[in-house]
Amino acid sequence: GNSVTQMEGPVTLSEEAFLTINCTYTATGYPSLFWYVQYPGEGLQLLLKATKADDKGSNKGFEATYRKETTSFHLEKGSVQVSDSAVYFCALKAASGTYKYIFGTGTRLKVLA
Amino acid sequence: DTEVTQTPKHLVMGMTNKKSLKCEQHMGHRAMYWYKQKAKKPPELMFVYSYEKLSINESVPSRFSPECPNSSLLNLHLHALQPEDSALYLCASSQVGEGRTNEKLFFGSGTQLSVL
Repeated sequence: GNSVTQMEGPVTLSEEAFLTINCTYTATGYPSLFWYVQYPGEGLQLLLKATKADDKGSNKGFEATYRKETTSFHLEKGSVQVSDSAVYFCALKAASGTYKYIFGTGTRLKVLA
Repeated sequence: DTEVTQTPKHLVMGMTNKKSLKCEQHMGHRAMYWYKQKAKKPPELMFVYSYEKLSINESVPSRFSPECPNSSLLNLHLHALQPEDSALYLCASSQVGEGRTNEKLFFGSGTQLSVL
């Protein structure tokens, strides 16, 4: 079946440090891949997405590249800020016409000033 | 307007109470979703409505009863809940049939439910 595996958190970084959150997936066919972010007390917001192999999604300094050969979609940011502290969810949507998004377990990021 | 609005933000109810959660969006999205999220866990899909018809029910207990009265509104009726049903209930919406470019879930801020 389809699944998403994320690195365990929490991840604690100092401001301006480099961030990587690993995400790998299992799916048949060519899924769309997403990173969602959840700030305390809020719902999830789409951070970035990629819909085919070698696509790079980017937003607010965050990037992730759809790697079909390694079935990965790792999230990176060159210089984190305290305001980036949140929970990050990797997700996949298996095919057009389905309403099911498969979410990873989430990775909590804490950035210290 | 790119918001999904959920009310109430917080709800405390006893196991014999009947209550309803409400969700509203005005983005013209024809798919609406209910998710349940326990602390430090990912959202779990409960129900999906597509064009106001129930499309997916993820084997949710009958004490949760969804309703989609029109294309902008989604309700979740609660009756005889158990303490283990305490969670954050998230509503989401999305476009339908627009291809991969517009694949995106828009989430509300959720209703934090406590069952005593």
